Amino acid sequence: QVQLVQSGAEVKKPGASVKVSCRSSGYTFTSNAISWVRQAPGQGLEWMGWISGYNGNTNYAQKFRDRVTMTTDTSMTTAYLELRDLRSDDTAVYYCARVPNIVGAKHSDHWGQGTLVRVSS
Amino acid sequence: EVIMTQSPATLSVSPGERATLSCRASQSVSNNFAWYQQKPGQAPRLVIYGASTRATGMAARFSGSGSGTEFTLTISSLQSEDSAVYYCQQYNDWPLTFGQGTKVEI
Repeated sequence: QVQLVQSGAEVKKPGASVKVSCRSSGYTFTSNAISWVRQAPGQGLEWMGWISGYNGNTNYAQKFRDRVTMTTDTSMTTAYLELRDLRSDDTAVYYCARVPNIVGAKHSDHWGQGTLVRVSS
Repeated sequence: EVIMTQSPATLSVSPGERATLSCRASQSVSNNFAWYQQKPGQAPRLVIYGASTRATGMAARFSGSGSGTEFTLTISSLQSEDSAVYYCQQYNDWPLTFGQGTKVEI
């Protein structure tokens, strides 16, 4: 079955960087894209961007474009989210989510368990 | 970006009753639209995609309708396990955007 397993919780100081991993199994990694979505405490869902598992092409939300890098390691079937210059309002649960291999589809059909990133001095 | 507006913010429904959730897009998104269910402490779960296609494993009491700018999620006979926050999402245009959520209380 499809599984996305994320790395563990992180505590970072303001100005630092964080790198969250998302290991995929149960499907052909290069056939699907991965979206990254975050959720601040008690708030809604915020789409950050996505990366193709096939060729590594990315599409970032404008809000994060200057601070985010999404990468993949196809040999490890793992996607990574790096967020730099962290601020307190980056405190959130970060989710990776698979995009189904359907023409025109950009929604997410399987989600990781989430990684809590806390930014605190 | 496309703004997604959900209503109501909170919906209180008795077991067995019908629940109707709405989502409006600030511009047409065709049928490139999804609904997600999120229970406390859990990751979101896909409910509906393509505006009306039920995701694998979702109960038949969940149905979606609409196209363009107006969309509806209907839960025909509410069960206790349906208590959750429901989010809509458009994936017609970049950036992908979510609504603010509707909390369904039972």
